[in-house]
Amino acid sequence: KQEVTQIPAALSVPEGENLVLNCSFTDSAIYNLQWFRQDPGKGLTSLLLIQSSQREQTSGRLNASLDKSSGRSTLYIAASQPGDSATYLCAVMGGSNYKLTFGKGTLLTVNP
Amino acid sequence: DVKVTQSSRYLVKRTGEKVFLECVQDMDHENMFWYRQDPGLGLRLIYFSYDVKMKEKGDIPEGYSVSREKKERFSLILESASTNQTSMYLCASSFPGANTEAFFGQGTRLTVV
Repeated sequence: KQEVTQIPAALSVPEGENLVLNCSFTDSAIYNLQWFRQDPGKGLTSLLLIQSSQREQTSGRLNASLDKSSGRSTLYIAASQPGDSATYLCAVMGGSNYKLTFGKGTLLTVNP
Repeated sequence: DVKVTQSSRYLVKRTGEKVFLECVQDMDHENMFWYRQDPGLGLRLIYFSYDVKMKEKGDIPEGYSVSREKKERFSLILESASTNQTSMYLCASSFPGANTEAFFGQGTRLTVV
């Protein structure tokens, strides 16, 4: 059974800092990995999708990497801003039914 | 822009009531999903559907059923609501296949009293 772990569970940084969020998964037979952002009490917003054949994806200040063989992904946020404060979730898609399995998220707080 | 719309942001229901949560997507996605999200447990898949009138159980289907009569609409039904079904419910949709992005609705916060 696929298990997804996100470390750390919570992170607090000053504005302007570069930071890395980590995601690991136990079964490397995945189709893709997706990073989401969730604001309090809201739904999930898709940030980046990395296909299994890719090593990284970039969108603005966000860069996500994928090392499928070692079961790891990182989300790098450059020059963090208070508006980046949210919970960040990673999810892997795998199995015959293309199921998404989620980590429990990292709660990021960027202090002005 | 893809839009996944859940019919209610907040709902309060009484124990034993039959509850319907509605989800509509406008991108002609074949796949639709219902998750619940609880503190410390993360997102857990309740049911999913690959096509009209097709459904499959997820990880925690007990106490729930679903209906998909039209491609754009996927309903989650709590046959007899209980307090342990108080949760945030999230609907998602996607195209089929291995390299597709999932899109989520804004969530429904259900409280069963």
